Amino acid sequence: GAGVSQSPRYKVAKRGQDVALRCDPISGHVSLFWYQQALGQGPEFLTYFQNEAQLDKSGLPSDRFFAERPEGSVSTLKIQRTQQEDSAVYLCASSPPRLAADQPQHFGDGTRLSIL
Amino acid sequence: GQQLNQSPQSMFIQEGEDVSMNCTSSSIFNTWLWYKQDPGEGPVLLIALYKAGELTSNGRLTAQFGITRKDSFLNISASIPSDVGIYFCAGVDDKIIFGKGTRLHILP
Repeated sequence: GAGVSQSPRYKVAKRGQDVALRCDPISGHVSLFWYQQALGQGPEFLTYFQNEAQLDKSGLPSDRFFAERPEGSVSTLKIQRTQQEDSAVYLCASSPPRLAADQPQHFGDGTRLSIL
Repeated sequence: GQQLNQSPQSMFIQEGEDVSMNCTSSSIFNTWLWYKQDPGEGPVLLIALYKAGELTSNGRLTAQFGITRKDSFLNISASIPSDVGIYFCAGVDDKIIFGKGTRLHILP
């Protein structure tokens, strides 16, 4: 399809395991964002890429969280040694080629991560 | 950090009623966005506001960017069942800050 695609849609992991979440942005979109959405809350910013450059990672909650976008298209959010508080929906968004944070973002449907 | 106060948290209305919700901030934003999120899906952009005082419509939806750049409201006229969902405001500075959402319920 033409939208932002995230996989897997659901992920269940045991506490302490590592997980990797994938985002395929809209083709040609320069900017890519990751958000964490806890139950009953709005999305909270994690990190931002322009092409392959990670320009802002101020929202990553700990050094267990790592994101990459090596070729400027697909991005992976990795969480190491998962904890129960990591349980949330992880949303990816991309925005059109103009390099500005105020371009409207198009969201994927998210990966719902549950840590047992 | 920056926070947005979105109200009301929940609304229960009859089909056909008009709806009004708003968002306030202690700091200025250059852009306000309104999104709707359905269960199991990502937020979908409804309206983007780029200029203080701007009033923009999208079908039955109308949103305004406050003159002070610290607030915005969203109105929905003549609500229908598919309007049910969570509405988020978002302010844009160097990053996007989301409110906690207004949950719209339509009574049978």
